[in-house]
Amino acid sequence: DVKVTQSSRYLVKRTGEKVFLECVQDMDHENMFWYRQDPGLGLRLIYFSYDVKMKEKGDIPEGYSVSREKKERFSLILESASTNQTSMYLCASSSQLAVPYNEQFFGPGTRLTVL
Amino acid sequence: DQQVKQNSPSLSVQEGRISILNCDYTNSMFDYFLWYKKYPAEGPTFLISISSIKDKNEDGRFTVFLNKSAKHLSLHIVPSQPGDSAVYFCAASDGTNAGKSTFGDGTTLTVKP
Repeated sequence: DVKVTQSSRYLVKRTGEKVFLECVQDMDHENMFWYRQDPGLGLRLIYFSYDVKMKEKGDIPEGYSVSREKKERFSLILESASTNQTSMYLCASSSQLAVPYNEQFFGPGTRLTVL
Repeated sequence: DQQVKQNSPSLSVQEGRISILNCDYTNSMFDYFLWYKKYPAEGPTFLISISSIKDKNEDGRFTVFLNKSAKHLSLHIVPSQPGDSAVYFCAASDGTNAGKSTFGDGTTLTVKP
């Protein structure tokens, strides 16, 4: 059974803290994505990666960075957490063999609260 | 500029009736569309897809219709079941190896027994 796992389901951090969200997939997928989901705003793409060590900005990259040192792992980093980064964070992956539809497989999400 | 829009935030239908969820897009370069379903506390899961060379794709109770000239697609669920209650996202794939998709805001479907 294919799987995308995220390191935490719930996380509470303080303003100014550095936050790491980890995502691991076991499907040998080349592509990985980080989204945030907010009420009324749907899924907004933060960053994506189509290969190890490669990263591309999505629609809302400000305040975030990412790291992809291994194919199966994609990390989202909040350098200095702020209250407006309180959100549900979703990681996804897809295979480059799935072109052109590029069906994505999602993790369960991390609910991050920044106080 | 929001390229994929789902104008109805919520929809409520009776069990056994048809559910119709709508999606509009603005980018005429989009050729591949997907619907995802999301239950609370879970990530979205793929439901059904369609390419712009088709106007209909059917999978069991789920049918997606595409009107390319109107830049509009819809998801029909017949008959609706209480287990279909979820958030439904429309998405457009860029069709490239990088696999980027643009998602709509989502529509919350409630199917009442």
